[in-house]
Order: sequence, then structure tokens, then C-alpha cells
Amino acid sequence: DIVMTQSPDSLAVSLGERATINCKSSQSVLNSTNNKNYLAWYQQKPGQPPKLLFHWASIRESGVPDRVSGSGSGTDFTLTISSLQAADVAVYYCQQYYSLPITFGQGTRLEIK
Amino acid sequence: EVQLLESGGGLVQPGGSLRLSCVVSGFTFSSYAMNWVRQAPGKGLEWVSSIRGSGDSVFYADSVKGRFTISRDNSKNTLYLQMNSLRAEDTAVYYCAKVALQGVIRASFDHWGQETLVTVSS
Repeated sequence: DIVMTQSPDSLAVSLGERATINCKSSQSVLNSTNNKNYLAWYQQKPGQPPKLLFHWASIRESGVPDRVSGSGSGTDFTLTISSLQAADVAVYYCQQYYSLPITFGQGTRLEIK
Repeated sequence: EVQLLESGGGLVQPGGSLRLSCVVSGFTFSSYAMNWVRQAPGKGLEWVSSIRGSGDSVFYADSVKGRFTISRDNSKNTLYLQMNSLRAEDTAVYYCAKVALQGVIRASFDHWGQETLVTVSS
């Protein structure tokens, strides 16, 4: 199984400041045939289901603000919020769908400092 | 508008059974693989099971293999999860989730249901 490890587990950032969440996979999730990273990011707010933010590591879903970005390749990935807003308070998960079983990171709780 | 609506959760004793349902609308159900994902109270997300659009291939997490069965009725736009031999550690909210791409299992999950709570306790 591919193990997904996020860091940090929790993060407190001031409004308007940058937030960075890291995700590392125990093996590469890059498919060399199509050059796609099988990595997604989700945002989950209390009492709500997860919301897809990025797929293929860096492809932003419709409606996700461009101050939020996804990057990385192979085994190391990053979710960056360039200017934190109150609406960004949530738990963030990375997910690999390169191979079954599909696995998620343990989550990173993002709060306002 | 894509919608997924789960039902069937509840309180069940250890060793008991439940069947979850997920009724969908707003997309061609038979063209998309579907998944069940669960989240224990205060914990992270755990993938449970996947099924291809045609229903001819199914996949399970080791933690539920042999106890849970995923199925679908494309004529009713409904996904199911039959859960047998339930254990306390199966207590969680369960989500059904649609994959983002037609015809593939390995894709991100672009739409999720609201959840149904399963509590296994005596």
C-alpha cells in the first residue's frame, strides 16, 4: 500500500499570510506513460463532506480561488495558500489514486493564528 | 446538478448487518465508478470500496474484505454497501463518492454525498 504522510499535522497562520501543507508518498505516484501525478487535495470543513480542490496534483477544480495552488511530482507534493482567508479554516487531505488501495494522508488542520 | 444522497445508517450491535444506499442524480451513473469512504469520529478519511460503472469489478480495503459487499443498480441510479459482521471499529460516517473521470477506477473523487452515520455498539 502507498502510505501518504502529511506535514504538519496542524498549522496556525495569520490572516493574509502564507500557509504551506506538505504531502509525501511512500512511492512515486507519477505515471510515466501519461506523465500525470495521481494525487488529489481535498478540503473538509466541520460537518461537511470533503471538497475536491486539485487533481493530477496541480489542476485546480472550478471555483477554487487562484490564491490556492497545488504543486509537486513523484513523491513530494505541496498545497499552498498564498494569503490565508477565514474561509480557508479546514482540514486538508492529500490522496493518491495511483494504485489500490486508494489512500489518504492523515490530514492537516489549518487554523488562524 | 450532481447530487448523491446516502441513507441506511443507524445503530447496530456488533456482529450485525446494515445496508447503505446512495441515490444519485445529475450525471450518467453507469459511466462512472463509485466509491465508499468512511471517517471514524474525529479521525481521517479511509477508502472502503470501489466499483466500476458496469459493476463488473469491485475492490475493497483489507479492513472490510470478506465482510462488506459493494454493488450498484444502474437502472435505479443507486449504489449500495452491504455491511455484515460489523465491529465497533466500523463506527464512522460513510460517504459515497463519484470519480471525476468516466470509465476509470483510478481518479479523484469530485462529488461526495452528505454522509450517513453507522454506529456499532451493544
